Amino acid sequence: QQQVKQSPQSLIVQKGGISIINCAYENTAFDYFPWYQQFPGKGPALLIAIRPDVSEKKEGRFTISFNKSAKQFSLHIMDSQPGDSATYFCAASMRNKFYFGSGTKLNVKP
Amino acid sequence: NAGVTQTPKFRVLKTGQSMTLLCAQDMNHEYMYWYRQDPGMGLRLIHYSVGEGTTAKGEVPDGYNVSRLKKQNFLLGLESAAPSQTSVYFCASKVAGLYNEQFFGPGTRLTVL
Repeated sequence: QQQVKQSPQSLIVQKGGISIINCAYENTAFDYFPWYQQFPGKGPALLIAIRPDVSEKKEGRFTISFNKSAKQFSLHIMDSQPGDSATYFCAASMRNKFYFGSGTKLNVKP
Repeated sequence: NAGVTQTPKFRVLKTGQSMTLLCAQDMNHEYMYWYRQDPGMGLRLIHYSVGEGTTAKGEVPDGYNVSRLKKQNFLLGLESAAPSQTSVYFCASKVAGLYNEQFFGPGTRLTVL
């Protein structure tokens, strides 16, 4: 079964809106939670990441919220732009062994 | 500095044929990974290596073998390709340590007929 569950599968947001992608996990041994951005025909690239001892991390328009007790974490993209249109993957790692969510295809309408 | 490179970019195989995918990195990274990406399933770890001469199984290792004879190279082999191995394969590398960035290659699109 999938170790990391991601939703929604696809998301349409108007320019300037907030995009929210959610992930959940069960294994409490996970020690690192990165998010990746992937454009068509390219490999994934690290967007932002968080450690389990931190509840929130913000980098520019991108914020991760982490709820350890609920075993959930989410990516918020503020002021979404058409250039943010891509597929986003959450991941969780356990001693450098990575498990990915199924991906969310984000389309930001101009 | 080329980062992570993968060879070939595309390949079509017939069922039962064998092939090797090559991953090379010039960042002196200790850890290297092979993933496959299928629609609706994200990336799944096939095998990984924490150093030259070492390999370990990931989530979906069956039907694949790997070797890491040199620190900069990580080879993924398919001994007898099956249509279920049609996928996009990504290699990645990172430095040792829990919180360091994983860098991905551009991918290899493999089709098995």
